[in-house]
Amino acid sequence: DAKTTQPTSMDCAEGRAANLPCNHSTISGNEYVYWYRQIHSQGPQYIIHGLKNNETNEMASLIITEDRKSSTLILPHATLRDTAVYYCIVRGPKTSYDKVIFGPGTSLSVIP
Amino acid sequence: NAGVTQTPKFRILKIGQSMTLQCAQDMNHNYMYWYRQDPGMGLKLIYYSVGAGITDKGEVPNGYNVSRSTTEDFPLRLELAAPSQTSVYFCASRAGTGIHGELFFGEGSRLTVL
Repeated sequence: DAKTTQPTSMDCAEGRAANLPCNHSTISGNEYVYWYRQIHSQGPQYIIHGLKNNETNEMASLIITEDRKSSTLILPHATLRDTAVYYCIVRGPKTSYDKVIFGPGTSLSVIP
Repeated sequence: NAGVTQTPKFRILKIGQSMTLQCAQDMNHNYMYWYRQDPGMGLKLIYYSVGAGITDKGEVPNGYNVSRSTTEDFPLRLELAAPSQTSVYFCASRAGTGIHGELFFGEGSRLTVL
């Protein structure tokens, strides 16, 4: 599976949009981008995933660049409860697609 | 549905003791996973299973064993516990085939080895 790179940490003001970037420059055509988040000490929670089109659900929006080498997770109106570690994962059938490997993620702090 | 249930939630072991962390899911998912998370660190995959009777190693399998005799249950066995196994253990499951399907996680089991 393609490797991902995320910033170690980010801050966001409460009520503002939080834009979390993920670089996956080696992604192949049949690999998906998945996002999860982990609120302190809890099990990770699925947020959203996409292949090449932008996606939106009740939690967030996922913007994937046209060349698919990077993506951005957008939390439109961040609240204090969005403070968490956010993981970007690329998954596809290239290698062992049954495994799900997490990277270090981005620690998002939403500031009052 | 209860989702993914892990027991126990907390446990303290002495060095050299053995124990089994239990994981059960009621969503009829084929895939199940065990991760460990050391303090301040990310998740590391220990073992995973793609269905009953089929298991495979993840990133950090040493010191652990698993079995998958039913679709619902995926216990993780620690033999000869060591301080390095002090961690939070998360079990997860997912539906789908191949790359599809999101993970559902349990609440975690916090293990301390002294």
